[in-house]
Amino acid sequence: AQTVTQSQPEMSVQEAETVTLSCTYDTSESDYYLFWYKQPPSRQMILVIRQEAYKQQNATENRFSVNFQKAAKSFSLKISDSQLGDAAMYFCAYRTNNDMRFGAGTRLTVKP
Amino acid sequence: DAGVIQSPRHEVTEMGQEVTLRCKPISGHDYLFWYRQTMMRGLELLIYFNNNVPIDDSGMPEDRFSAKMPNASFSTLKIQPSEPRDSAVYFCASTLGGLFGNTIYFGEGSWLTVV
Repeated sequence: AQTVTQSQPEMSVQEAETVTLSCTYDTSESDYYLFWYKQPPSRQMILVIRQEAYKQQNATENRFSVNFQKAAKSFSLKISDSQLGDAAMYFCAYRTNNDMRFGAGTRLTVKP
Repeated sequence: DAGVIQSPRHEVTEMGQEVTLRCKPISGHDYLFWYRQTMMRGLELLIYFNNNVPIDDSGMPEDRFSAKMPNASFSTLKIQPSEPRDSAVYFCASTLGGLFGNTIYFGEGSWLTVV
């Protein structure tokens, strides 16, 4: 079965510093999407960044970027210049045409 | 534990028909969430319950959608009448405790197609 693993239950970063959240996944598919979602206390799920597996170039969205290593099935999220508002739970997810799986989440704390 | 169990896994229905999606949360969890996932809008929170009581249903798109949680081990999301724009993956998720940072466990989703 396809799985998504986030090995860091909790991470902490100093404001303005950089932090990397790790995610690995397991799939036999060649075509899929990978996502990072941010979940604040409101329980909404906010899409942070998305990566298509067929694209070699790493996706970036302002201060957020990913390191996508397809052969290693790794999809880490880098947050640069961390802000207090970045504090949240972060979920890594994987999707094919007929399956979607989520990691267990990483709780990010940002220290002022 | 079997995890969060959703049914049906896949459903294809005609416009105008009633659709009922079901969810069994992890035993002992006191929060249950319903999310809808589309590639266009991402993952939207529709509604969540705490101890079987709806807490926030502001994400429910319109009166065609309704959700119930008659007991701690079962919830339903109903769409009546269904429309093609309701086609999406509907996820149920559960967690224990309301503290920020508790992990949320997702079901495998109900893949709905309305034609």
